[in-house]
Amino acid sequence: SQTIHQWPATLVQPVGSPLSLECTVEGTSNPNLYWYRQAAGRGLQLLFYSVGIGQISSEVPQNLSASRPQDRQFILSSKKLLLSDSGFYLCAWSPVGGREQYFGPGTRLTVT
Amino acid sequence: GENVEQHPSTLSVQEGDSAVIKCTYSDSASNYFPWYKQELGKRPQLIIDIRSNVGEKKDQRIAVTLNKTAKHFSLHITETQPEDSAVYFCAASKRGSTLGRLYFGRGTQLTVWP
Repeated sequence: SQTIHQWPATLVQPVGSPLSLECTVEGTSNPNLYWYRQAAGRGLQLLFYSVGIGQISSEVPQNLSASRPQDRQFILSSKKLLLSDSGFYLCAWSPVGGREQYFGPGTRLTVT
Repeated sequence: GENVEQHPSTLSVQEGDSAVIKCTYSDSASNYFPWYKQELGKRPQLIIDIRSNVGEKKDQRIAVTLNKTAKHFSLHITETQPEDSAVYFCAASKRGSTLGRLYFGRGTQLTVWP
């Protein structure tokens, strides 16, 4: 069966510091991968998506970037965090040709 | 792009009553409609989905209906229980999208009072 992991689970970082969040998927090949952010409140904002290694598309221009160095690994980064980057970051995957998206456990980021 | 509207934003019901959450979409090319449940502090969980070739789908106490002509779909929860309390999100996905990009509604906070 497929499993999605994210780490760290929680993170407190000062403004201006760098960020690296990691997401990995097990039990499937060539999944579509997504990064979402959920700020205070309820909405799910799509940040990045990827259909393959090295293929990244951005939904919202901001100080975040994403990379996919391996088939089942998706990384979210920032060189300098802003207060507004605080939130719940969710990675999700969907199978090739499939429609269902499955979310990881999330990383709760607080920028102080 | 696709625009998904979700109502109501908050819903309170007594245990045992039914709850209905409604969503509308704008793009007639959308043909996949999932619903997610997110408990406090947890990840969204896919609870049910429907494709445009069917009008209704049921899974125990949960059902989803789809009206393609009116471009709206609804989540129905019967015999609600306190553990149904959560935020529910609807979403839509377009036909022919190899990416499978989901367009989400803004969510409905459902509270079930014992």
